[in-house]
Amino acid sequence: KAGVTQTPRYLIKTRGQQVTLSCSPISGHRSVSWYQQTPGQGLQFLFEYFSETQRNKGNFPGRFSGRQFSNSRSEMNVSTLELGDSALYLCASSTRQGANTEAFFGQGTRLTVV
Amino acid sequence: DQQVKQNSPSLSVQEGRISILNCDYTNSMFDYFLWYKKYPAEGPTFLISISSIKDKNEDGRFTVFLNKSAKHLSLHIVPSQPGDSAVYFCAASDGSARQLTFGSGTQLTVLP
Repeated sequence: KAGVTQTPRYLIKTRGQQVTLSCSPISGHRSVSWYQQTPGQGLQFLFEYFSETQRNKGNFPGRFSGRQFSNSRSEMNVSTLELGDSALYLCASSTRQGANTEAFFGQGTRLTVV
Repeated sequence: DQQVKQNSPSLSVQEGRISILNCDYTNSMFDYFLWYKKYPAEGPTFLISISSIKDKNEDGRFTVFLNKSAKHLSLHIVPSQPGDSAVYFCAASDGSARQLTFGSGTQLTVLP
């Protein structure tokens, strides 16, 4: 079956602009989580959505927001972009049938803010 | 405050030898641990996991060991192959939370 699909793969934006990233989870997966990866910081958790509701949120400013649609696809929005927002943004999906299951990641969206 | 730490940013191993990647955690609520492998320009790929009720889980060349008293886990790769060269992340979750807390990763290089 198809894996987690993230679009676009690459994006260049100017400081102050806003951006929307998209994530289509594996069919049947209802949980979508977003992570930010920057050099030396590993993967930092942004938020998790399940059944169109945000269930968990990491320690990021309010400029970072997201939503999930009824088909489990999710979008992440970053407003008023800053240079430090340049990163690889990864989404992961899981079944959430019990807590201890692995998450499957997409290839990520590489965002560059200039 | 890093709850999951991978203190070695890089590791080089000869092909055929054992690779040992280490991970320490501080949150005693963590009860499920995972290892992911990541190639450049790709998302992390799940490798192996272990529940806190176990101290060892094996899958082919990959074995994960968990020492709960020391809050330490390790990933053993035997024998190491050049294709294993990648960044390895350990991650942990605490029960019902779907949030995974990741370490900063270890770059493994397997030399032919």
